[in-house]
Amino acid sequence: GDSVTQMEGPVTLSEEACLTINCTYTATGYPSLFWYVQYPGEGLQLLLKATKADDKGSNKGFEATYRKETTSFHLEKGSVQVSDSAVYFCASYSGGYNKLIFGAGTRLAVHP
Amino acid sequence: DVKVTQSSRYLVKRTGEKVFLECVQDMDHENMFWYRQDPGLGLRLIYFSYDVKMKEKGDIPEGYSVSREKKERFSLILESASTNQTSMYLCASSFRTGGSGYTFGSGTRLTVV
Repeated sequence: GDSVTQMEGPVTLSEEACLTINCTYTATGYPSLFWYVQYPGEGLQLLLKATKADDKGSNKGFEATYRKETTSFHLEKGSVQVSDSAVYFCASYSGGYNKLIFGAGTRLAVHP
Repeated sequence: DVKVTQSSRYLVKRTGEKVFLECVQDMDHENMFWYRQDPGLGLRLIYFSYDVKMKEKGDIPEGYSVSREKKERFSLILESASTNQTSMYLCASSFRTGGSGYTFGSGTRLTVV
């Protein structure tokens, strides 16, 4: 079945460092891909998404590009802030009545 | 602003109590979901519903039931709460086909003592 694999955390960075959180997927066909963010004590919020190969989703300085050839959707940010500290979830959706498949989540801690 | 609202942010219940967690959405979504989230275990789907009065088991339905009498409301019921049900519970909703993603509530942190 479909699955999503994320890099294990926690990821610890200093403020203004570059961020990459790896995400790969397995799916039949070409799913839509999502990144969600969960701030401490909150629910998940949609951060960005991409619906087809080579699409780039972006929001709040974060970007992710849908790479069909490597079945990846890595999350990147050029300069992280303390306020970016959160758990990040990658997810895929294969269409129709399928459910979203979530990765295990990656915790990011940014220190001043 | 569209919303999924969970009735309580924090709950403390005693072992053996019947517990109701309520979730309401205002987006006219067909699908609603209940997840629990535990450290190191990610999100685990408990139950979901594609329509009023319809329910489907997720990955970990044991010890839980659900009710969906109206399109906007999806209730999670712990028939007899146990300490291993202490967790963060997240409700989500989506359109019939989930291509727009899910909208999540803020979560209910339940402690069973």
